[in-house]
Amino acid sequence: GAVVSQHPSWVICKSGTSVKIECRSLDFQATTMFWYRQFPKQSLMLMATSNEGSKATYEQGVEKDKFLINHASLTLSTLTVTSAHPEDSSFYICSVKVSDTEAFFGQGTRLTVV
Amino acid sequence: GQNIDQPTEMTATEGAIVQINCTYQTSGFNGLFWYQQHAGEAPTFLSYNVLDGLEEKGRFSSFLSRSKGYSYLLLKELQMKDSASYLCAVRDSNYQLIWGAGTKLIIKP
Repeated sequence: GAVVSQHPSWVICKSGTSVKIECRSLDFQATTMFWYRQFPKQSLMLMATSNEGSKATYEQGVEKDKFLINHASLTLSTLTVTSAHPEDSSFYICSVKVSDTEAFFGQGTRLTVV
Repeated sequence: GQNIDQPTEMTATEGAIVQINCTYQTSGFNGLFWYQQHAGEAPTFLSYNVLDGLEEKGRFSSFLSRSKGYSYLLLKELQMKDSASYLCAVRDSNYQLIWGAGTKLIIKP
């Protein structure tokens, strides 16, 4: 299956700073990538759909100015958490849409804001 | 509203069989997915059902009944490494994935 590399695996940052998370599709040209957030013991929640060369589509309740998504190439999408706060601490996961029935996930990024 | 229900936690014995159920109420249906997620890791794809019936893939099988809004994941010959959370997700009429909260499966020797 497609290999998806997400970086970093974990990050600790100070409140008020910004953090960038990268999602790379290593062997597949990904027109569409998804960004999820998962709080402990909760289900995955879709934050936004990232489309190469166009603006991301955000889910209701997700602040687009706080969670900046850039999908500048077919192999890279980035999520930047701006002015991070402790409540943004979560597990962020990207996935690459390979077909209608397959999506491969990155390793996830555990963000802790102190 | 849209809802996916699955048990929070299940316990089974190594070598045995376990069935994890998932019921759903969604606006439309375009397929049901099962994922495995080990603690602290991203989900990995297990199965996809869009038509009624049983899909078998090695030790894992997944069943779907669209009329009942019901699916199950069957794991045979359980191994300790199968200890994980199992997520049920349904794709609705807008092709959005609706996720269940996951079932934590504990395997005992």
